[in-house]
Amino acid sequence: AQTVTQSQPEMSVQEAETVTLSCTYDTSESDYYLFWYKQPPSRQMILVIRQEAYKQQNATENRFSVNFQKAAKSFSLKISDSQLGDAAMYFCASGYGGSQGNLIFGKGTKLSVKP
Amino acid sequence: EPEVTQTPSHQVTQMGQEVILRCVPISNHLYFYWYRQILGQKVEFLVSFYNNEISEKSEIFDDQFSVERPDGSNFTLKIRSTKLEDSAMYFCASSSFRATEAFFGQGTRLTVV
Repeated sequence: AQTVTQSQPEMSVQEAETVTLSCTYDTSESDYYLFWYKQPPSRQMILVIRQEAYKQQNATENRFSVNFQKAAKSFSLKISDSQLGDAAMYFCASGYGGSQGNLIFGKGTKLSVKP
Repeated sequence: EPEVTQTPSHQVTQMGQEVILRCVPISNHLYFYWYRQILGQKVEFLVSFYNNEISEKSEIFDDQFSVERPDGSNFTLKIRSTKLEDSAMYFCASSSFRATEAFFGQGTRLTVV
């Protein structure tokens, strides 16, 4: 069975600083997708960044980037120049069966941003 | 920008009652999903739906749950006899194809009393 593990229940970062959120996963599939979702207090699920497992190059989206280590089954999210609006729950997720909609989520990391 | 719409945003129901949660997926999408998030816990996959059939379901999706696409626009999740532990946020999502991005709705908060 696929699993996604986020070992940091809470993290804190100073505004304008950089923070890295950790995620490990386990899958027997060769082709899969990995995601980071942001969930603000409104509880809307917002896609932050996506990585296709067959791509070696790490995905980046503006201030968000990932460090994808396929052999280690590690998928961390780096947030640069943190802003107050980045404060939220962050969920790591893995898609299975070649799907981007069949997702297994981790338990989440609550990120606080200090002014 | 097209979006997935869920109604109602919050529903309160008595234990044992049937409840239907409604979703309007993005219009040209073919794959539909329901997820559940119990307060303070992780988001859990319930079911995926394609071509008027369930394509996958999780262990959570037992006989008390059902899904339907009653017309060309709505996608519903029915819970037959609600229990207290069904209280959660329910998210609908849709995607064009299986291997394309799934877009989430804003969620329906279900409270069973």
